Order: sequence, then C-alpha cells, then structure tokens
Amino acid sequence: QVQLVQSGAEVKKPGASVKVSCKTSGYTFTNHYIYWVRQAPGQGLEWVGKINPTDGRTDNAQKLQGRVTVTRDTSTSTVYMDLSSLRSEDTAVYYCARGLSSLAAYFDNWGQGTLVTVSS
Amino acid sequence: QSVLTQPPSASGTPGQRVTISCSGSSSNIGGNYVFWYQQFPGTAPKLLIYRNNERPSGVPDRFSGSKSGTSASLAISGLRSEDEADYYCAAWDDSLSGPLFGGGTKLTVL
Repeated sequence: QVQLVQSGAEVKKPGASVKVSCKTSGYTFTNHYIYWVRQAPGQGLEWVGKINPTDGRTDNAQKLQGRVTVTRDTSTSTVYMDLSSLRSEDTAVYYCARGLSSLAAYFDNWGQGTLVTVSS
Repeated sequence: QSVLTQPPSASGTPGQRVTISCSGSSSNIGGNYVFWYQQFPGTAPKLLIYRNNERPSGVPDRFSGSKSGTSASLAISGLRSEDEADYYCAAWDDSLSGPLFGGGTKLTVL
C-alpha cells in the first residue's frame, strides 16, 4: 500500500534551518508529484511547495520564496523540504502529500506530519 | 485571495443534514476542480471528495459535493457522531500557481 513516512519532530532557534524528509513506498516514485503543506497550531492548511520527482523541478509558495527548497532522492524514493531563516511564524506541522494531478489540489495520501517548533 | 472562505463552524444533531459552504473566485473554484478534506485532531487530512462531487472508495455516500460558479458545498446527510471533525475545501489557484485551501470548518455533532 502507498505510504509516506516523515521524519520526527524538530525544535529550532530563530534564524536556523530545518530539513524534513518524506520517504515514500508502495508506488512508482516518479509517477506522482509530492507536495508540502503546513498547518500552524489551530490554523488551516497552507501550501509550501511541490516537486516533480521525475526531473526534480519545483514550485514554491511565493510567500516562502527564497527560504524553501524541495529536493528528492530517486534512489531512496524520498523527498526533502528545507526551510531556512526560520521565524516563530514557521512553527507548524508540515505534511507531505502525494498529488494525483500536477495542477489540482488532489492529494490522496498524506504523511503523518512533522511538527517544527521555532523558539528561542 | 489567500484562502477560500468557509464558515468557521457548523453543527447538527444525529440524523440531520448539514452543508458547509466554500467561496472563492474565478482564479480558483471558478475555473478548477474542488476537493474536500476531513481532518481529525492530531491526524493528517483525508481526501473526502474529489473533482467537485466524486467520492473515493470507502467514503460513505452520506457525503456529497457540489459546485456552482465560484462556490462549492459539502453536504453530509444522516449525520453521525463520528463525523465530528474539521473540513477543508481546496482548489488549484491559477494566480498562486498552487493549491489554495479554505480556512476550515469545525463540525460539531450535538
């Protein structure tokens, strides 16, 4: 069965960087985009970025432009989300999700989420 | 537009029919499919409705979706206690060049 398994919770200081991983299995890795979506405490969902595992091309949310980098390792079917210059408002649960279409909000499988806490 | 507009809360008694609205614009709902997600506390969202009104296998037919113009709705009939959760609408946004989510609606079963 399709699985997306994320790395564990992180606590970081303001200005630091964090790298969250999402290991996929149960399907052909290059057949589906992987998206990153975050959810601040008590808040709604917000798109962070996406990657095409086939060629590594990415698109990121404009408000995070320059601070977020999404990469992939095809040998391990793993996607990574790197967020730099962390601020308190980046505190959130970060989810990876498998996209069933490159131009739709269509996510059929999600990781379990990774809590990133930014605090001095 | 930073989020699609949903009512923050909705409620109903067991057996009732409840609808949750989702309002957007021509750059998102008006020109793209709408999706609905169900989320329980401490867990990841789960796909509930895709392409406006389709249900993934395993989702009860008590859940239905519709879309008209720049608005969409999720209807839950025969409300059950286990339906108590947060519900999010989502659509691709052409201006954002990415998915846009609603602010979420917390459904309470009284």
